[in-house]
Amino acid sequence: GAVVSQHPSRVICKSGTSVKIECRSLDFQATTMFWYRQFPKQSLMLMATSNEGSKATYEQGVEKDKFLINHASLTLSTLTVTSAHPEDSSFYICSAVGTSGTGYEQYFGPGTRLTVT
Amino acid sequence: GENVEQHPSTLSVQEGDSAVIKCTYSDSASNYFPWYKQELGKRPQLIIDIRSNVGEKKDQRIAVTLNKTAKHFSLHITETQPEDSAVYFCAASRGIRNDMRFGAGTRLTVKP
Repeated sequence: GAVVSQHPSRVICKSGTSVKIECRSLDFQATTMFWYRQFPKQSLMLMATSNEGSKATYEQGVEKDKFLINHASLTLSTLTVTSAHPEDSSFYICSAVGTSGTGYEQYFGPGTRLTVT
Repeated sequence: GENVEQHPSTLSVQEGDSAVIKCTYSDSASNYFPWYKQELGKRPQLIIDIRSNVGEKKDQRIAVTLNKTAKHFSLHITETQPEDSAVYFCAASRGIRNDMRFGAGTRLTVKP
């Protein structure tokens, strides 16, 4: 099946700094990617929909100036957490729609664990 | 917007027993309902999905049923095994290419 990668897998940063997370579709093109956040023992919460060549669509309550999303190519979307604070510590997961043997499937990246100290 | 509720939050069964997890959704336009299995620190893995034009789908020990009228769908795992232990999430969306709303998750423990 299709593969989605994320980089880095883990990152620790200091409060006030910015962190960039990459999401790549390795063997398919994805016009749309999704960014989710998952706190410990909780569900995946959709943050934004990333559209190639246009602005991302953010969910209510997600600050677009804090979580900058760029989808500059059909295989890469980036999420930048600006001026990170400890409460931003979470597991960030992206997904992209690709084709499977029986149709389409939304493939998830392995996630990035962000720890803000 | 879509709201997905999932029950129970935890489920413990004996190996070989069946496990059932139920979800309800609110958006009548939702037509795609996947189920994911997530192990600790790993990405969600699709285990089965169903579209609104189908009432039931089965894949070996796993089955999903959908009642569009009542807006609920369920995951059934038969002959459970210890390796089935994980957190299971249901989700709903208006299509496979659309954003998904997830249920809160069910932690399934299968005791040997």
